[in-house]
Amino acid sequence: DTAVSQTPKYLVTQMGNDKSIKCEQNLGHDTMYWYKQDSKKFLKIMFSYNNKELIINETVPNRFSPKSPDKAHLNLHINSLELGDSAVYFCASSPKGRNSGNTIYFGEGSWLTVV
Amino acid sequence: KQEVTQIPAALSVPEGENLVLNCSFTDSAIYNLQWFRQDPGKGLTSLLLIQSSQREQTSGRLNASLDKSSGRSTLYIAASQPGDSATYLCAVNGGGFKTIFGAGTRLFVKA
Repeated sequence: DTAVSQTPKYLVTQMGNDKSIKCEQNLGHDTMYWYKQDSKKFLKIMFSYNNKELIINETVPNRFSPKSPDKAHLNLHINSLELGDSAVYFCASSPKGRNSGNTIYFGEGSWLTVV
Repeated sequence: KQEVTQIPAALSVPEGENLVLNCSFTDSAIYNLQWFRQDPGKGLTSLLLIQSSQREQTSGRLNASLDKSSGRSTLYIAASQPGDSATYLCAVNGGGFKTIFGAGTRLFVKA
């Protein structure tokens, strides 16, 4: 069983469209994250949720809206997609985020291409 | 603001060689440091996690060290193999929910 699973793995869409990426973890973790990896392979945190509560929102355009219906799920919805949104989006989870010293587990990534 | 730098950006070595990857961070007030491996088209796999109170961690042919005072960590890979070819990322957690990643070192081990 995949510990952190994301769908879709690949997504090609036109500018201006709205799209969602879904993430689920079956590890029983309290904290989930969305990271963005750009063309230069730099990983940057976008959002962090702890027990369904938004903890971190890093200078991300408000076109990006995360939603956590429960502890095991964290979805990412993107409105009015722009060319610069093309990247790989990684979902991740950890047992307890704050000062826990725990390992972060990553999904396989969702490759988003905006044309 | 924490910044994480990894040197070199890319490295090519012959099979069997021992090698060291470097990671430096600007704020020594860290909670833990983690090394990850990323294969092309894949997610990140955790290799080693070092708590701030620890000096090193070992797993098989991998050994990671941490020197908080100097803001440095190294990942030592012994007897490298072609299967070790991947990008290696260093990530620093300063407490809280934010982990800062370096840009990674792309390793190629030639058979």
